[in-house]
Amino acid sequence: GQQVMQIPQYQHVQEGEDFTTYCNSSTTLSNIQWYKQRPGGHPVFLIQLVKSGEVKKQKRLTFQFGEAKKNSSLHITATQTTDVGTYFCAGYSSGTYKYIFGTGTRLKVLA
Amino acid sequence: DVKVTQSSRYLVKRTGEKVFLECVQDMDHENMFWYRQDPGLGLRLIYFSYDVKMKEKGDIPEGYSVSREKKERFSLILESASTNQTSMYLCASSLAGTGAYEQYFGPGTRLTVT
Repeated sequence: GQQVMQIPQYQHVQEGEDFTTYCNSSTTLSNIQWYKQRPGGHPVFLIQLVKSGEVKKQKRLTFQFGEAKKNSSLHITATQTTDVGTYFCAGYSSGTYKYIFGTGTRLKVLA
Repeated sequence: DVKVTQSSRYLVKRTGEKVFLECVQDMDHENMFWYRQDPGLGLRLIYFSYDVKMKEKGDIPEGYSVSREKKERFSLILESASTNQTSMYLCASSLAGTGAYEQYFGPGTRLTVT
């Protein structure tokens, strides 16, 4: 079945360093979403990418959707302690009408 | 503001008990979802519903059933709870359409089966 893998599983960075998480799907996706889950909280929607090669920015966060629509990345520039949490990608296939979540990347930021 | 509420934050049940987890959303969303979240496995879809009385199996439906009698309410039922169903259960809702829409999650229910 369809799988969405995310790497790395964990990442510890010093505050101010950059951070990137990668998402890879076994099949072509219609679109991809990114969510952030703070410790003890629930996932909160960040953004959705639809077009092949699309790049979107939200302040220090840059999201990219691969040309083949099978991979995506989230890059955070100059991390802050408020960036702590687990970042999930969720791939959507129009044929299945289901979201498949990645395994998540847990980010810790050391002050 | 979209609000998704779940009946309990924490629940402790015994093996073999029937367990009901309730989810209510207040934004008239057509789609509702039940996920379980386990460390290292991310969120896995148990069931989803795209309309009242309609349901579709997700990736891990075994041992679970669902009920959607009203648009705003989606229930997850564990017919006979087992220890391997100890997990965090998250409900979500979204609009429906030709594309995908963002999902709004509830606070989660941490279920422990002893």
